[in-house]
Amino acid sequence: SAVISQKPSRDICQRGTSLTIQCQVDSQVTMMFWYRQQPGQSLTLIATANQGSEATYESGFVIDKFPISRPNLTFSTLTVSNMSPEDSSIYLCSGKGGGRSEQYFGPGTRLTVT
Amino acid sequence: AQRVTQPEKLLSVFKGAPVELKCNYSYSGSPELFWYVQYSRQRLQLLLRHISRESIKGFTADLNKGETSFHLKKPFAQEEDSAMYYCALSDNYGQNFVFGPGTRLSVLP
Repeated sequence: SAVISQKPSRDICQRGTSLTIQCQVDSQVTMMFWYRQQPGQSLTLIATANQGSEATYESGFVIDKFPISRPNLTFSTLTVSNMSPEDSSIYLCSGKGGGRSEQYFGPGTRLTVT
Repeated sequence: AQRVTQPEKLLSVFKGAPVELKCNYSYSGSPELFWYVQYSRQRLQLLLRHISRESIKGFTADLNKGETSFHLKKPFAQEEDSAMYYCALSDNYGQNFVFGPGTRLSVLP
């Protein structure tokens, strides 16, 4: 299993600013993902964080808005750029081993944009 | 493309009653199916997966390929089962995870 931590746990940000969320895994994982979860709704995959290369973004999400880094097998960051109130959400990081292994989730970062 | 549906947004049952949370999927290959649970103010966690065929907290789920379903069942619901439940699917290679919209289970005293 893997234990995933995220920082910050929550933040209130002003419109037009950027926030970087950190995700740390306590063991090496093959894949890391970033999700967005609106209150009371399901998870929407933003991107797959690839080690040493550009992230793979899902439809509707772009690198300029959500730049992602993954410098090694246990750490990734997601930046929410030029924020607007529509970006208010919970952002989740997850990690997964190879093959058909399960995903482990972080506690989430609750972002409020005013 | 793979897809997961959970027809019930909210399911309310009384304590001690049986509960079934429905999940249907569409996928052309051989899927891996999961149930994740999110209790209030806790992180999302795996409840069970179909290949392990185990019972966790009294819950079971059987993969029915004919009906493309993976319903979650428990014979006697407990108040502590109240939570958000998500059905999820990954492809043959363990990639391309897709989550269903979720069902909120409320177990009434």
